[in-house]
Amino acid sequence: QSALTQPRSVSGSPGQSVTISCTGTSSDVGTYDHVSWYQQHPGKAPKLMIYDVSKRPSGVPDRFSGSKSGNTASLTISGLQAEDEADYYCCSFAGSYSFDVFGTGTKVTVL
Amino acid sequence: QVQLQESGPGLVKPSETLSLTCTVSGGSISSYYWSWIRQPPGKGLEWIGYFYYSGSTNYSPSLKSRVTISVDTSKNQFSLKLSSVTAADTAVYYCARHSGTLPYFDYWGQGTLVSVSS
Repeated sequence: QSALTQPRSVSGSPGQSVTISCTGTSSDVGTYDHVSWYQQHPGKAPKLMIYDVSKRPSGVPDRFSGSKSGNTASLTISGLQAEDEADYYCCSFAGSYSFDVFGTGTKVTVL
Repeated sequence: QVQLQESGPGLVKPSETLSLTCTVSGGSISSYYWSWIRQPPGKGLEWIGYFYYSGSTNYSPSLKSRVTISVDTSKNQFSLKLSSVTAADTAVYYCARHSGTLPYFDYWGQGTLVSVSS
């Protein structure tokens, strides 16, 4: 099972919106709605930001939203803030055999 | 508040077995799925495997031949063993709790760096 493909980096100014894509296959993103997104600050553990494609855990700002079309999922951060600068990883369920596959990761830079 | 803490040697020799323990506090290890996930320095995340307190396990196909995850419910701990390690196994190893029975991770340990070197 290969890693999901994400852009290496995206950037935006405070207040702008950025979107991170996550491209998989019909064996993972394209079949299952169990797509999640994690935020990771340097030296810290990942934090769950989105699950089931577009649901937010309690405490996650509504600036973070998720969507999916075909084999590609997306995370959008609206109203970009300095504290949003971090690495972001998508993750998709890939069936009971492979279970979860992560994306390659995207560094979000706030200009 | 559930807390997870990884522990174990920070240095392992090539061909030997990497052993880590995750201690869970603030909640019972029962009734949840628990996973190990790793991250090589400067690279992305990789799911290693999970176990359910009832005894069922599932391992990444790429690591299945070398991985064992076990549990000690009396100590509220679960463990990872990875055999025949090489430099490619150098990584920060995280333990994490699944959100219910779903394939998401809502609680994570802080991670522990394990280096494979002679």
